[in-house]
Amino acid sequence: SQQGEEDPQALSIQEGENATMNCSYKTSINNLQWYRQNSGRGLVHLILIRSNEREKHSGRLRVTLDTSKKSSSLLITASRAADTASYFCATDAPGANSKLTFGKGITLSVRP
Amino acid sequence: NAGVTQTPKFQVLKTGQSMTLQCAQDMNHNSMYWYRQDPGMGLRLIYYSASEGTTDKGEVPNGYNVSRLNKREFSLRLESAAPSQTSVYFCASKVAKNIQYFGAGTRLSVL
Repeated sequence: SQQGEEDPQALSIQEGENATMNCSYKTSINNLQWYRQNSGRGLVHLILIRSNEREKHSGRLRVTLDTSKKSSSLLITASRAADTASYFCATDAPGANSKLTFGKGITLSVRP
Repeated sequence: NAGVTQTPKFQVLKTGQSMTLQCAQDMNHNSMYWYRQDPGMGLRLIYYSASEGTTDKGEVPNGYNVSRLNKREFSLRLESAAPSQTSVYFCASKVAKNIQYFGAGTRLSVL
């Protein structure tokens, strides 16, 4: 069963705008990761945030984690057409034996 | 450095046929995974291998078998393909902190 649920399911924005995507999960976690998938390709790891961290930055990406609400958000600032992709959150739960549980994904379209 | 390589990229099978999806990684990772991706379902884990010589079932193992041939290779076998197994299959291997590297996928259609 899916641990993470992303919101919204689809997002369309103009180039230069910021994109915010949310992920909620159900059980306690060791860490939460975000992955990107371009059309017809495999998933690529973007960023990992540990359960004891609240915010993390990597280039134009900003991830927040609220363990009390069991939720995370991914912010992409100054979006580009090349950011058009599907984005997935994945959780690593204690006792899961190194298995990740992925959400269903968010489709982001950035219009030039 | 190719990362995770999957073959074939595309395959069409008839119901009842068998085939093996191949996966190889050149990053010396211990853990490897097989997922399937269906529209609106995200990725679901079929089988995984924590180390050479070990395999374990994931969320959706029925209809599949796996072999961890050596540290590099992890294959997925469909003994008698069914239309419900039409999907995109991804192999991944794990680096530190449970970050996974993915192959480009195998697109399988079962008619």
